[in-house]
Amino acid sequence: DSGVTQTPKHLITATGQRVTLRCSPRSGDLSVYWYQQSLDQGLQFLIQYYNGEERAKGNILERFSAQQFPDLHSELNLSSLELGDSALYFCASSVGGTGGSGYTFGSGTRLTVV
Amino acid sequence: QKEVEQDPGPLSVPEGAIVSLNCTYSNSAFQYFMWYRQYSRKGPELLMYTYSSGNKEDGRFTAQVDKSSKYISLFIRDSQPSDSATYLCAMSPILTGGGNKLTFGTGTQLKVEL
Repeated sequence: DSGVTQTPKHLITATGQRVTLRCSPRSGDLSVYWYQQSLDQGLQFLIQYYNGEERAKGNILERFSAQQFPDLHSELNLSSLELGDSALYFCASSVGGTGGSGYTFGSGTRLTVV
Repeated sequence: QKEVEQDPGPLSVPEGAIVSLNCTYSNSAFQYFMWYRQYSRKGPELLMYTYSSGNKEDGRFTAQVDKSSKYISLFIRDSQPSDSATYLCAMSPILTGGGNKLTFGTGTQLKVEL
């Protein structure tokens, strides 16, 4: 157990729907990162939050949004889902904002859009 | 052209062999370099990280960074069947504002056979 908790582990939903993925960082970690992993694109950075504030942004679609709450857990919201959004979504956390010493990943949420 | 290139493999070696995994990159701003190991259906696990150029050793693992050639390597000595996994290189610049976003290679699938 890495200490980063992601729920749910699996999610199957229809096109056009909206889902929320949840992440609890390791105790003491202030930064949360979201990544998408698909077979053809590998691991792609979506967004980072540090202590409730957005710190860095990747190629996150406008249909996707995220936030980090005062208790430091984070949620990734995916709306108007398309078949191509099917992927593994990982959350990671680190103590600081720069993440220079690497970060700890959760076990992921597998999203299937049908 | 991708910012980070990694041979996808698969790479198959006998137990006890020395394994060499490599990545090349194009962004000269990258300062943090990491290697992650990912078992099937699990989150990536940090193996090694280095800042800027040089070598770093941890047990059977050695990471090398050559910034002049934009080339990083991971060596695994005395490889074991339990090392069978996908190995991902990752790197990041130092971002203004203190954020961080890792750019990952697509991963090399390694199989260590008895």
